[in-house]
Amino acid sequence: GQQLNQSPQSMFIQEGEDVSMNCTSSSIFNTWLWYKQDPGEGPVLLIALYKAGELTSNGRLTAQFGITRKDSFLNISASIPSDVGIYFCAGQSTVDRGSTLGRLYFGRGTQLTVWP
Amino acid sequence: KAGVTQTPRYLIKTRGQQVTLSCSPISGHRSVSWYQQTPGQGLQFLFEYFSETQRNKGNFPGRFSGRQFSNSRSEMNVSTLELGDSALYLCASADTGSDTQYFGPGTRLTVL
Repeated sequence: GQQLNQSPQSMFIQEGEDVSMNCTSSSIFNTWLWYKQDPGEGPVLLIALYKAGELTSNGRLTAQFGITRKDSFLNISASIPSDVGIYFCAGQSTVDRGSTLGRLYFGRGTQLTVWP
Repeated sequence: KAGVTQTPRYLIKTRGQQVTLSCSPISGHRSVSWYQQTPGQGLQFLFEYFSETQRNKGNFPGRFSGRQFSNSRSEMNVSTLELGDSALYLCASADTGSDTQYFGPGTRLTVL
């Protein structure tokens, strides 16, 4: 199956700092998605990316679909305490398109802790 | 629109029992996918249904099965439960032709 490497595994930052995390895959992806998950809850979609090179913002969050189609990054600017949680990247692989519709591959997550 | 709903939210079973989990997708979404989330393995794809047909299946044993109804609601069933089946089971729905999946809150299954 496709391997997604997400880094860093965890981050401890102070309120107001900027955050950056990224994902790389072993194969080309059609779509990159970024989710945030709070304890005991399901992942909540933050940003969806559909084209290589695409840069999309959602408030203080910005994500980019890498031009090689094998990577993506997520930036959070001016972090606040409610940014705490686990951030996941997920992707739909072009290799599997047509045979594995609906299947997302996930990174292992980045645990973000924000100190006041 | 209401989001994806899953019932029950929490479930405790013993080894050897079976369990059925339910998922109602976002209104109008016909694709429903199921994932298992554990600390050790992360989020793992179980299967995906579209218009009552299973389109894709992950690498899980046959004890894991699912189905989808004509109203797009889906159920997954796990038979002969094992301790290792303890996990958060997540359901996600997507609009036709879209890769963007929206997740429900999950069902926390504990097997004793």
